[in-house]
Amino acid sequence: EDKVVQSPLSLVVHEGDTVTLNCSYEVTNFRSLLWYKQEKKAPTFLFMLTSSGIEKKSGRLSSILDKKELFSILNITATQTGDSAVYLCAVHLDYGQNFVFGPGTRLSVLP
Amino acid sequence: NAGVTQTPKFQVLKTGQSMTLQCAQDMNHEYMSWYRQDPGMGLRLIHYSVGAGITDQGEVPNGYNVSRSTTEDFPLRLLSAAPSQTSVYFCASSLDGAYGYTFGSGTRLTVV
Repeated sequence: EDKVVQSPLSLVVHEGDTVTLNCSYEVTNFRSLLWYKQEKKAPTFLFMLTSSGIEKKSGRLSSILDKKELFSILNITATQTGDSAVYLCAVHLDYGQNFVFGPGTRLSVLP
Repeated sequence: NAGVTQTPKFQVLKTGQSMTLQCAQDMNHEYMSWYRQDPGMGLRLIHYSVGAGITDQGEVPNGYNVSRSTTEDFPLRLLSAAPSQTSVYFCASSLDGAYGYTFGSGTRLTVV
């Protein structure tokens, strides 16, 4: 069974802290790994990763994929209260439009 | 540019009732999907479409029907609502199906 696991499930930090969110996967046919941020409603796309070792960066957020060890991390530096959200990891399987989502990490950034 | 529009935002149904959740996108995206989100379980794919007239099942298709008669619209039909279908439903679309999907704002459905 295809599975995506995220850790921690919940995290509370203070503004200015750096956080690392983890995503590991066990799937039969890997195509890509995606990160989304979900605030109150709709998830919004952050990154898509297909190759190992190549960091994707957007402002204070960065992510990297390790296809040998089957995991990805999402780093957020100098966190702000606006980073408070659920961060979702998803794996796109290499057939059809099958995406397997993890349960998400709920990040709370306190002022 | 509206993006992905879902209606209604909230709905309460009685067990056994049927209804259609509407989804429309104005980005000319070929790929559209329906997900349900339950606490602690992440998003699970119900059905998806890779273009008008083409649909396929996802992970949890039972109890739901879809059709795609136009590129813009992808309605989700609940045939006979059950309490287990209480969830938040998201519609999403993508230009090429490989890059990130754009999600609608969701429909919170409660079946009593």
